[in-house]
Amino acid sequence: GAVVSQHPSRVICKSGTSVKIECRSLDFQATTMFWYRQFPKKSLMLMATSNEGSKATYEQGVEKDKFLINHASLTLSTLTVTSAHPEDSSFYICSARDLEGFDQPQHFGDGTRLSIL
Amino acid sequence: AQKVTQAQTEISVVEKEDVTLDCVYETRDTTYYLFWYKQPPSGELVFLIRRNSFDEQNEISGRYSWNFQKSTSSFNFTITASQVVDSAVYFCALSFNDMRFGAGTRLTVKP
Repeated sequence: GAVVSQHPSRVICKSGTSVKIECRSLDFQATTMFWYRQFPKKSLMLMATSNEGSKATYEQGVEKDKFLINHASLTLSTLTVTSAHPEDSSFYICSARDLEGFDQPQHFGDGTRLSIL
Repeated sequence: AQKVTQAQTEISVVEKEDVTLDCVYETRDTTYYLFWYKQPPSGELVFLIRRNSFDEQNEISGRYSWNFQKSTSSFNFTITASQVVDSAVYFCALSFNDMRFGAGTRLTVKP
């Protein structure tokens, strides 16, 4: 149980393109979803926390207009990288938590490798 | 402020050796959770263990064992008789409202 599906797994596109990444909880309802970014050989950096039906909370230094997050339902959150540029190339990972509370484990998607040419 | 420190950037061992990955954390909260995740070259995060701040019992799962010591704010992870398949990046994480990851330790197990 507790499967999180992230799609697509890999994206290669031209500079200026907007890219949407989907994160779905397949067998549970996710009240909270998280988006992380990971640079090569670096740790996961929390970008934002999204709660269903409300605006996402972004970490300091993360551009809200650049990384649009939508959490319209209890099973789906999307991250849209708008007008992507080569510096946005990275590994993006989402996670979902099925119950409120920090003591509940986060279930991670398999990540999306984004390459902007 | 919450912080997780994994001082070992890279570790290389020969198969069958035991290896310990260190994790030190900082938090002002009295209630929190600690985690270990494995990230193989394919990129996905594999959950290994979760430990709450009130449970200092050490845990063993097959070749894996964890030593949680609140007195030193450490949550170390030991792999006994390492295998090539253990090669991965291992992350320690601290959770309160959200999850904060350490920098990770890249473990290479050579045959």
